[in-house]
Amino acid sequence: DAGVIQSPRHEVTEMGQEVTLRCKPISGHDYLFWYRQTMMRGLELLIYFNNNVPIDDSGMPEDRFSAKMPNASFSTLKIQPSEPRDSAVYFCATSRVGGVGPQHFGDGTRLSIL
Amino acid sequence: QKEVEQDPGPLSVPEGAIVSLNCTYSNSAFQYFMWYRQYSRKGPELLMYTYSSGNKEDGRFTAQVDKSSKYISLFIRDSQPSDSATYLCAIRGDSNYQLIWGAGTKLIIKP
Repeated sequence: DAGVIQSPRHEVTEMGQEVTLRCKPISGHDYLFWYRQTMMRGLELLIYFNNNVPIDDSGMPEDRFSAKMPNASFSTLKIQPSEPRDSAVYFCATSRVGGVGPQHFGDGTRLSIL
Repeated sequence: QKEVEQDPGPLSVPEGAIVSLNCTYSNSAFQYFMWYRQYSRKGPELLMYTYSSGNKEDGRFTAQVDKSSKYISLFIRDSQPSDSATYLCAIRGDSNYQLIWGAGTKLIIKP
């Protein structure tokens, strides 16, 4: 069974550019979570979806961040415009039906904003 | 006070030693307790998952929950260099699907 797939693995771009991170969840998992990890703040939940519907986006830092899940097989996290303080590793994680099970993580996107 | 406290380390021990990793938490309503392992440049992967109190063993790993003290532990027996990683505790209540994460403890096993 394929795990959570994230792309790109690395992204380096200049401040002000739009950044789009992508996630393909594990088939059959109906919860999807976007996290950001930094040395200073650890792992932070940005937003999560249930059955493609955003449930809680209170962790999204600013209006520059947006996330979508157009279908059960795909989600995006977009930053526009990007700033150097957005540099971090962004993880997508998914969980089985009911959300009570453990979360399965992708290998993340390492984002550097110059 | 943070909801989950975890010493970031690093914790360095010789190969073969017993390792004890710990987290404390503040909310007595928490019911689900997890330990994740994260290797460098990889996503966290689930190691142990327990509900409520008690112990759970899986090979060289034992997870322990003490709800009266709001304290959870992960023990690693016969530690190996391949156990070198960051270990994160994660806790969840009954009614909320969000996990509360510890800061992670960096563990180094010296050959």
